[in-house]
Amino acid sequence: AQSVTQLGSHVSVSEGALVLLRCNYSSSVPPYLFWYVQYPNQGLQLLLKYTTGATLVKGINGFEAEFKKSETSFHLTKPSAHMSDAAEYFCAVKKGFGNEKLTFGTGTRLTIIP
Amino acid sequence: DADVTQTPRNRITKTGKRIMLECSQTKGHDRMYWYRQDPGLGLRLIYYSFDVKDINKGEISDGYSVSRQAQAKFSLSLESAIPNQTALYFCATSDLRQEGSHEQFFGPGTRLTVL
Repeated sequence: AQSVTQLGSHVSVSEGALVLLRCNYSSSVPPYLFWYVQYPNQGLQLLLKYTTGATLVKGINGFEAEFKKSETSFHLTKPSAHMSDAAEYFCAVKKGFGNEKLTFGTGTRLTIIP
Repeated sequence: DADVTQTPRNRITKTGKRIMLECSQTKGHDRMYWYRQDPGLGLRLIYYSFDVKDINKGEISDGYSVSRQAQAKFSLSLESAIPNQTALYFCATSDLRQEGSHEQFFGPGTRLTVL
């Protein structure tokens, strides 16, 4: 069975500082990996995804993530935090083409300190 | 207009009541999903449907039922609501015909409180 672990349910960073949100997964087959963001009182929005090809993927709002197979990780980064980045972030894994089930991590709430 | 809509957005009900949450989409997607979100637990899949004639249980289907009335509509029912079904419920859609997409699109959520 596949699973997703997000280290740190709450992360606080200063405005302008590096954002690093950690995600590790387990999967018996090459996975598809996703980061979603949830702003207050809203649904989830896709930030970025890895399916195949380049392991460093860029998403919206300056975020990027790197798929590291050897470390089974897909950490999310942004070089400089902005106040508007305050939200909850979810990592998710899917087993691959044809399997529609997304397994979500428990989420990380990001707070930006002015 | 939003591509995935959910009604109602907020609902307070009492234990034992039957309640239906509705989801509609204008994206033309064939696949639809119901999730619930609880603090500290992330999102968990309740039911999913690959087309009108296909309904599948997710990881936490007990106490819930669904109906896919049309390609664009997918309803979630709680036959006899209980307090531990208090949660935020999300509908989502996807379309594998969009090659390389693999993305699920989420509605705005329904906040359900069972007293």
